[in-house]
Amino acid sequence: GAVVSQHPSRVICKSGTSVKIECRSLDFQATTMFWYRQFPKKSLMLMATSNEGSKATYEQGVEKDKFLINHASLTLSTLTVTSAHPEDSSFYICSARGTEASYEQYFGPGTRLTVT
Amino acid sequence: AQKITQTQPGMFVQEKEAVTLDCTYDTSDPSYGLFWYKQPSSGEMIFLIYQGSYDQQNATEGRYSLNFQKARKSANLVISASQLGDSAMYFCAMRVRGSGYALNFGKGTSLLVTP
Repeated sequence: GAVVSQHPSRVICKSGTSVKIECRSLDFQATTMFWYRQFPKKSLMLMATSNEGSKATYEQGVEKDKFLINHASLTLSTLTVTSAHPEDSSFYICSARGTEASYEQYFGPGTRLTVT
Repeated sequence: AQKITQTQPGMFVQEKEAVTLDCTYDTSDPSYGLFWYKQPSSGEMIFLIYQGSYDQQNATEGRYSLNFQKARKSANLVISASQLGDSAMYFCAMRVRGSGYALNFGKGTSLLVTP
């Protein structure tokens, strides 16, 4: 299957700083990428949907100024957590979808963010 | 609104036995897709099986099969011949048309396979 990478896999940052997470589709062009957040022993919650070249669509309750999403190319989407707080500590997973006709979504390995 | 329900927080099964993980869904959209993913402790999401709402036959992928009962709005995952490596969290998910086909996940079922 197609491969999606995420970088970094783990990151620890201090409160008040910003951290950027990259999501790359390695062998296909992703028209749409999704960002999910997962708390320990919980399910994945959709944060936002990003389409290449346009603004991301955020889910209700997700602060767009805090979680900045950029989808500058068909193979790269980035999530920047700005002014991080300890409550932002979580597992962030991206997924990518290829063509409109395909039902398949390919998940990245996830990024574990710890804010101290 | 679309909703996915997994009512089994945890399940045990003995090695080599079959196990069924329950999933029910609710949607008013006649076109939808149902997925099952496995998430081991490493956190990666591993795609197992997909069922489209218009698919006539139940999906199968190796030891995984999906018991799709459209009228009951259920999409249970059956794992045959369980292996120790099957121990993981299992999530049922539904494709949501309104969000560019993002996935709406159930709460998950933790499966433990015992020797």
